[in-house]
Amino acid sequence: DADVTQTPRNRITKTGKRIMLECSQTKGHDRMYWYRQDPGLGLQLIYYSFDVKDINKGEISDGYSVSRQAQAKFSLSLESAIPNQTALYFCATSDVGGNTDTQYFGPGTRLTVL
Amino acid sequence: DAKTTQPTSMDCAEGRAANLPCNHSTISGNEYVYWYRQIHSQGPQYIIHGLKNNETNEMASLIITEDRKSSTLILPHATLRDTAVYYCIVSAINAGGTSYGKLTFGQGTILTVHP
Repeated sequence: DADVTQTPRNRITKTGKRIMLECSQTKGHDRMYWYRQDPGLGLQLIYYSFDVKDINKGEISDGYSVSRQAQAKFSLSLESAIPNQTALYFCATSDVGGNTDTQYFGPGTRLTVL
Repeated sequence: DAKTTQPTSMDCAEGRAANLPCNHSTISGNEYVYWYRQIHSQGPQYIIHGLKNNETNEMASLIITEDRKSSTLILPHATLRDTAVYYCIVSAINAGGTSYGKLTFGQGTILTVHP
């Protein structure tokens, strides 16, 4: 969805380096999410944020941190990258409230840690 | 959230209906059934969701059994562009009627549409 953008789209880095992945959205949604996807597997939730002051850990938050700089921006950091963090990373947004979990996903960032 | 079970893979001929089953026998009364799909490592795309009534939109139909323990996603006229991984997800809402906002993705069903 063009309303959710991720940068960079591809990144190759070395073990021990600090990496930041950025996500921006123009949908005006309060909720934002970071997922990772390993080859052949489904997505796993890393962190999620229901508003600028609300950050929550997901299933696999160890080794990651996040920052919600504004309603439209949610960044994911790998403080010291390791090879098993090589994966596809997706950002998503959703609208607050209601009975729907309709999430809109960005195009993904392919991260390779050597 | 309830666990879902889907077949690993399915095939369908182009132009025919694709019927993708999902078992969610432990679903709770406050859990909705959602379907997303992911085309070749792109970001997942929302398809449809429902609680207990059948639903239809421009992309697909969702049939939920009366006991809510299973559902079927129907793509009425599959095209080659429908080749993707399809995820069936159940997700709860709280007592106030607000979603918890967390989706749990399994491995999904790989649907291959053949010419």
